[in-house]
Amino acid sequence: DAGVIQSPRHEVTEMGQEVTLRCKPISGHDYLFWYRQTMMRGLELLIYFNNNVPIDDSGMPEDRFSAKMPNASFSTLKIQPSEPRDSAVYFCASSFSGLAGTDTQYFGPGTRLTVL
Amino acid sequence: AQTVTQSQPEMSVQEAETVTLSCTYDTSESDYYLFWYKQPPSRQMILVIRQEAYKQQNATENRFSVNFQKAAKSFSLKISDSQLGDAAMYFCAYRSGDTLAGSYQLTFGKGTKLSVIP
Repeated sequence: DAGVIQSPRHEVTEMGQEVTLRCKPISGHDYLFWYRQTMMRGLELLIYFNNNVPIDDSGMPEDRFSAKMPNASFSTLKIQPSEPRDSAVYFCASSFSGLAGTDTQYFGPGTRLTVL
Repeated sequence: AQTVTQSQPEMSVQEAETVTLSCTYDTSESDYYLFWYKQPPSRQMILVIRQEAYKQQNATENRFSVNFQKAAKSFSLKISDSQLGDAAMYFCAYRSGDTLAGSYQLTFGKGTKLSVIP
């Protein structure tokens, strides 16, 4: 089975530009998570969805960040306008709640974003 | 709010030896799950092992095992017969068991960088 797929793997952009990160969760998973990893703050949850519906977006840093999940197999994280402090690795993860208890999160390879 | 603490920013181990990575957490919940993830230089987050808090038996996965001390809120990872491929960042993570509240997010520690010396 294919794991979580993220694109692009690397993104370099200039301050002020719009950035869109993409994620395809594991087929059949009903939860999708977006995380950000920086040296200063470690791994932080930005937002997560259940059955395509956003459940908790309290980790989204500012209104410049938005996330959508139009269907069960696709999600986007958009930053508009981007700023240098948004430079980080962004991870998407998915999990399946149907198994009692564990619903382990499986991570994608991440997108390394650099905003100049 | 739950917190996860990894007090060892860096560790090193000789190849074929055993190393233990520490993790403590703070929670008022009785039902929860604990995980260790490995992040090699490729950046991929890979699940190493997981533990359900209601299970008294410590989880094991081949050369990886945990020492789960619920009363002490401690969850250490032991790597036996260390291999060069074990070199990575290791993250301890906590997840609430209160799924009715929708608390599915993971809370991560800051990580421990493990080096394996040939």
